[in-house]
Order: sequence, then structure tokens, then C-alpha cells
Amino acid sequence: GAGVSQSPSNKVTEKGKDVELRCDPISGHTALYWYRQSLGQGLEFLIYFQGNSAPDKSGLPSDRFSAERTGGSVSTLTIQRTQQEDSAVYLCASSIVGAGNTDTQYFGPGTRLTVL
Amino acid sequence: TQLLEQSPQFLSIQEGENLTVYCNSSSVFSSLQWYRQEPGEGPVLLVTVVTGGEVKKLKRLTFQFGDARKDSSLHITAAQPGDTGLYLCAGQPITGNQFYFGTGTSLTVIP
Repeated sequence: GAGVSQSPSNKVTEKGKDVELRCDPISGHTALYWYRQSLGQGLEFLIYFQGNSAPDKSGLPSDRFSAERTGGSVSTLTIQRTQQEDSAVYLCASSIVGAGNTDTQYFGPGTRLTVL
Repeated sequence: TQLLEQSPQFLSIQEGENLTVYCNSSSVFSSLQWYRQEPGEGPVLLVTVVTGGEVKKLKRLTFQFGDARKDSSLHITAAQPGDTGLYLCAGQPITGNQFYFGTGTSLTVIP
């Protein structure tokens, strides 16, 4: 596709359930980022993948959060035993090189997660 | 801990007015980026500044990186309704992979 896509666009779940959020980056982009955004606020870094290097997981808020990137392309963010404070928009971005100070991150439209 | 603070948080102005948004930190960044985000969409990059004191212009938008590379400003001249959106600054530290995003400035330009 032409841009970063994310699915689902909206997800409503019950407290305690697990959810999986998917990100399809732009083809050929080696770097992939996950962020979380609360309503009208800035973005909170979660995790970063670059090529075959070990991911930078320093932003994951708890061990209920995990992410993987298969084949250097599609990424899945998994939240186990969801809590109401997990409700937010989860954004994915990809860039062509990664870890460079002039890299352009291209963002997907996000997945709005609501935990009841 | 919020690494980048933006001000003001909310701004509502009339079409044609000028405005400035500030992005401040006590940390030094190797680069700083400005994004605009519209409802239901991801942020879109407007500009990247990398040199202390650097000024970049994009039509009616002027971006400046502080001399010490700790702060930045975005100035919009003759604002238009199409400028409405959430403006975010993001800094990349000297080391590390993260981009630290600011708290955001929600701009509304009234026709």
C-alpha cells in the first residue's frame, strides 16, 4: 500500500481480555515504532524495531504489553489482561532507515482502543 | 516525566492573526521535528531542524531551533482555518532510538 495501515481502526474490549493490534508499514521501511496517545495529548513511545536488531522495549509500560515484528515487515502489539487505563489511540510509524536524526516517520491512522 | 513541554496547550484565534507555539526542554536534542495531526489521523511531519539557531520557513510557517538545541518555536503568519489541528514537537536525544513527543498544542482558527 501507499502508506502505513493499522487494524482494526477501533477496538472495544472488556477489562481483563487480551487484544492484538496490527501494523503494516510502508514496504521497504526498516524501522517501525509504536506509540500510545491519550485524548488530545502528545505521543508516548512504546517500542522500536530496526531491521534485525533487538527491539528497544524501553517504553513499554508493563509486562502486559509486548510486540513482535515478523519478517521485518508486519508488527503486532499485544496487550494482555487489558485495564481501563490502557484505553488510548495506538499509533504505528515506519521510516526508511531508523535511528537517524533526519528520518521521517510516516504514521498510520491509529487504532482506538476502548477498555470497558 | 515529560521531556518536552509545549505552550500554549490550547489556542483559539481569528483567521488572519499571527501565533507562536513554543516547545521547551532542559535536555539537548540532536534534532527536533514538528508535526501536525488532524482528528482520526496520524501526525504528519512538517519540518526537521538539526542545527542550533536554525530557521526554516514553510510558506506561512516559520520554525526555529534554539541555539542550545533545547527548545524550538513555530510561528504561523496570517492563520487560516486549514491550519487547525494538533501541533506536536518531537525531539531525538543525542543517543538512543526514541523520539520524545511534546504535550501538544491544539490550534483552532475561526473563519
